Amino acid sequence: EADIYQTPRYLVIGTGKKITLECSQTMGHDKMYWYQQDPGMELHLIHYSYGVNSTEKGDLSSESTVSRIRTEHFPLTLESARPSHTSQYLCASGGLAANTGELFFGEGSRLTVL
Amino acid sequence: GQQVMQIPQYQHVQEGEDFTTYCNSSTTLSNIQWYKQRPGGHPVFLIQLVKSGEVKKQKRLTFQFGEAKKNSSLHITATQTTDVGTYFCAGPTSYGKLTFGQGTILTVHP
Repeated sequence: EADIYQTPRYLVIGTGKKITLECSQTMGHDKMYWYQQDPGMELHLIHYSYGVNSTEKGDLSSESTVSRIRTEHFPLTLESARPSHTSQYLCASGGLAANTGELFFGEGSRLTVL
Repeated sequence: GQQVMQIPQYQHVQEGEDFTTYCNSSTTLSNIQWYKQRPGGHPVFLIQLVKSGEVKKQKRLTFQFGEAKKNSSLHITATQTTDVGTYFCAGPTSYGKLTFGQGTILTVHP
């Protein structure tokens, strides 16, 4: 069983609030990812990281930001939430930076912005 | 940019019928991965194919990687209600980056 955790699982928040979605993994993986997914829709890569102090933007433009200060932790922050940010955010981690092996996904954080 | 395209978007089958989803890349892939996402769940890794022309089986599931390493397919024989979900292919489109296809939503009617 994969050891990757996301909190909160569900969040309902008002417009303009700052939020941080937490993601932690205990597998020592170098690579971590954030995907955005609307119900029944495709996975859009919004951020990824090869390792500590490395972050890159993904294929889908996002107003969110990420940081990777520790290997195991890859939080995503929205400075000012808007209704258009309502979605599910999935965190994933993989193996060594040079490889593209399987990804382990967290349970997801479902964000609703009113 | 590099893209991973998947068809069909939806597939409705009667229990016992076969199901196939196809994945195509605009460029050659070093490998292709397949994931399954149950309704309300998160994607779970099924398999990775690496070699040109590779075929792998997992019980009723058969995975193929094309000779040119630009396409792949997942075939399920005699579907069951437990097969319901969205099936995604995914390919590495640049260093360390995994891009997913649009997914095929499979519905199985008992």
